[in-house]
Amino acid sequence: DTAVSQTPKYLVTQMGNDKSIKCEQNLGHDTMYWYKQDSKKFLKIMFSYNNKELIINETVPNRFSPKSPDKAHLNLHINSLELGDSAVYFCASSQELTPDYGYTFGSGTRLTVV
Amino acid sequence: GENVEQHPSTLSVQEGDSAVIKCTYSDSASNYFPWYKQELGKRPQLIIDIRSNVGEKKDQRIAVTLNKTAKHFSLHITETQPEDSAVYFCAASFTSGSRLTFGEGTQLTVNP
Repeated sequence: DTAVSQTPKYLVTQMGNDKSIKCEQNLGHDTMYWYKQDSKKFLKIMFSYNNKELIINETVPNRFSPKSPDKAHLNLHINSLELGDSAVYFCASSQELTPDYGYTFGSGTRLTVV
Repeated sequence: GENVEQHPSTLSVQEGDSAVIKCTYSDSASNYFPWYKQELGKRPQLIIDIRSNVGEKKDQRIAVTLNKTAKHFSLHITETQPEDSAVYFCAASFTSGSRLTFGEGTQLTVNP
């Protein structure tokens, strides 16, 4: 069983489109995250949710909107996609709000905006 | 806020040699330091971690050391193998913090 699953794995879309990425974890963890990994491999946090409550909202364009219907799911919706949004997006989860046992990452979604 | 610096950004070694990657952190309240390995096209995976009450931890060919006074920690890989080739990330989490802060990654290449 996949612990943290993301869909889709690959996403190719045109500028200006709206797209969503879904994430689900079956670990019973309380906290979920979205990270963006750019071409230089840097992992930059975007959002985190703890038990459906927004905890972290980094300086991210408001075209990006997370949504957590329950603590096992965290989705990411992106409006009006731009070329600079091309990256790999990783979902992750941790047992508690303070990640003292680290993260479990999903397999990533490679977003390409053309 | 928390800042983690990682060096070197690239590291190339011969098979069988040792590899060392170093990180420094800015927040003295940091108490948890994991290391992640990311193979090409894959997700980052936790390989070892250390907490602030421990100075060293070893797991087979990998070890991590922590110097709280100097605020730095290191990953040591001995007897490197080609399958160790990957990007390695250090990270830090501080008490009551709500995230891991990652270093910029080290691309390790082990040449056969």
